[in-house]
Amino acid sequence: KAGVTQTPRYLIKTRGQQVTLSCSPISGHRSVSWYQQTPGQGLQFLFEYFSETQRNKGNFPGRFSGRQFSNSRSEMNVSTLELGDSALYLCASSLDGGRLNSPLHFGNGTRLTVT
Amino acid sequence: AQRVTQPEKLLSVFKGAPVELKCNYSYSGSPELFWYVQYSRQRLQLLLRHISRESIKGFTADLNKGETSFHLKKPFAQEEDSAMYYCALSDRGSGNTGKLIFGQGTTLQVKP
Repeated sequence: KAGVTQTPRYLIKTRGQQVTLSCSPISGHRSVSWYQQTPGQGLQFLFEYFSETQRNKGNFPGRFSGRQFSNSRSEMNVSTLELGDSALYLCASSLDGGRLNSPLHFGNGTRLTVT
Repeated sequence: AQRVTQPEKLLSVFKGAPVELKCNYSYSGSPELFWYVQYSRQRLQLLLRHISRESIKGFTADLNKGETSFHLKKPFAQEEDSAMYYCALSDRGSGNTGKLIFGQGTTLQVKP
């Protein structure tokens, strides 16, 4: 089975711009979660989608949004970029939400640099 | 509040020495705990879950509810074990939410 695929791998954007990141989950996985990874804050949960519905959201401003399509692919959007948004953004898929019987499978991430 | 604490940022041992990576958690309810590992230039991947009865790559972890700990252990470290290790807790406050709470991670360095 192909793993979780994230595109692009690297992005460089300027403050104030917006960006869209894409994630293709493992075939058959209906849950997609997004995490932000930074050296200072570590791995922080952004949101989770299941069957095109956002089921949970972390403590991030409204500039961070996402969506999921009927084929379970997901996109994450960050508007009005700030320098502090520079991070590695990880997508993870699972059968149903990261429980013991359905652990998360992570992609390689998208490295976003905001200048 | 739900929290995962990994007190050591870096753990350095010699090949063949025992390894214990510490993880403590704070959670109201019955926890679901994981260890994830990230080898150099590879994606974050699941190492083991607390329901695992078998050892994975020689690692075991026992959930101790009394001490709220989930330490990862290996009796004899190998150089290929060098990696970043994350302890994680599934936050089930809202059902199946896809939300894991991660510790800050411990870098394990196994010296030859």
